Amino acid sequence: DIVMTQTPLSLSVTPGQPASISCQSSQSLLHSDGKTYLYWFLQRPGQPPQLLIYGVSKRFSGVPDRFSGSGSGTDFTLKISRVEAEDAGVYYCMQRKQRSTFGGGTKVEIK
Amino acid sequence: QVQLQESGPGLVKPSETLSLTCTVSGYSISSGYYWGWIRQPPGKGLEWIGSIYHSGTTDYNPSLKSRVTISVDTSKNQFSLKLSSVTAADTAVYYCVRGGGFDYWGQGTLVTVSS
Repeated sequence: DIVMTQTPLSLSVTPGQPASISCQSSQSLLHSDGKTYLYWFLQRPGQPPQLLIYGVSKRFSGVPDRFSGSGSGTDFTLKISRVEAEDAGVYYCMQRKQRSTFGGGTKVEIK
Repeated sequence: QVQLQESGPGLVKPSETLSLTCTVSGYSISSGYYWGWIRQPPGKGLEWIGSIYHSGTTDYNPSLKSRVTISVDTSKNQFSLKLSSVTAADTAVYYCVRGGGFDYWGQGTLVTVSS
């Protein structure tokens, strides 16, 4: 199984400030088809997760451009350029190179 | 707008079989995509259970494979999950999802395993 490790476990951010979450996979997520199957989700309290980023850096429909994804191989990052109150929740990375496994989550609190 | 809605019993006895159905609206299952199930124990993270293609091809989490069956009914635009021999460890919110990238999610349904 591919293990996904997220850091930090939690962070507290002032509105308007940037935030960054890291995700590391136990093996490269570069598939033989040339694609990298790395995704990011946000789960707001009491809600199902929602897709933010797919294919490392592509924003899903309706996702604000303050969210960006980057990385390659085994190391990936989700950045929020200017955090807003609605960005509070738990962020998960996920790989789909080999079935699907999720990171443990990063809780983002807004100060 | 694609919508998914889980349905099924909220309480299942230990050793019995958990059965859930996901009804899809706004998109025809037979048009494509994988359709899957993910669960989240209370206060914990996400675990992929398995997925099914509209043709019936399935893929399961190896840790659950011996107990899981996912099936599809294209005539009703539904797909279903069966998890056998449940224990308290299977207590979770169960979500149905679309695609390998999980772009659409149901609201989730809490299933408690208890006698």
